[in-house]
Amino acid sequence: DGGITQSPKYLFRKEGQNVTLSCEQNLNHDAMYWYRQDPGQGLRLIYYSQIVNDFQKGDIAEGYSVSREKKESFPLTVTSAQKNPTAFYLCASSAGIYEAFFGQGTRLTVV
Amino acid sequence: QKEVEQDPGPLSVPEGAIVSLNCTYSNSAFQYFMWYRQYSRKGPELLMYTYSSGNKEDGRFTAQVDKSSKYISLFIRDSQPSDSATYLCAMTPNTNAGKSTFGDGTTLTVKP
Repeated sequence: DGGITQSPKYLFRKEGQNVTLSCEQNLNHDAMYWYRQDPGQGLRLIYYSQIVNDFQKGDIAEGYSVSREKKESFPLTVTSAQKNPTAFYLCASSAGIYEAFFGQGTRLTVV
Repeated sequence: QKEVEQDPGPLSVPEGAIVSLNCTYSNSAFQYFMWYRQYSRKGPELLMYTYSSGNKEDGRFTAQVDKSSKYISLFIRDSQPSDSATYLCAMTPNTNAGKSTFGDGTTLTVKP
């Protein structure tokens, strides 16, 4: 089945740690995105990539980093510089038309 | 002020009711208007989209866009408990779908 796979589903981070969230897609989409969702709030764009080896900052990129070495993969690293990382993280891809396909999300909690 | 404002909810209705979910926006460049449904602890999934102004119907769902008023709506007829979810409006000026601007979502509960 085609789709987007995010892992892990739940992730716990200690203070000062970097953690990496995985996002893989087999839809052959060029564009991939990372969003953050906080309770009662919509999706805020962290980073996006429209082609391999290229990515752009979104609205809330500070404290995050990404790479796009393969078309299928767009991992997100939450660095220690992100002071409030507890949130639900969503990865999406699109073929450039109106629809974005989302993964099932990773819930990150700081412990 | 946010570019997209969505009626906050939460909304609770009895089964069979007609539901109206609404968003307003300020960016006149928006051309594509989407509604996503998000079940608890899941990723959003596209429910409907509309290009420019007009209505679009799909089964029990109708999406309306009024660009002159910068107002969009999603109507759900004969609502079912399975419609209980958070509904997110989203819009974009072009076909760069993932780089849409999202509303904060309205949580709907349909009671049997």
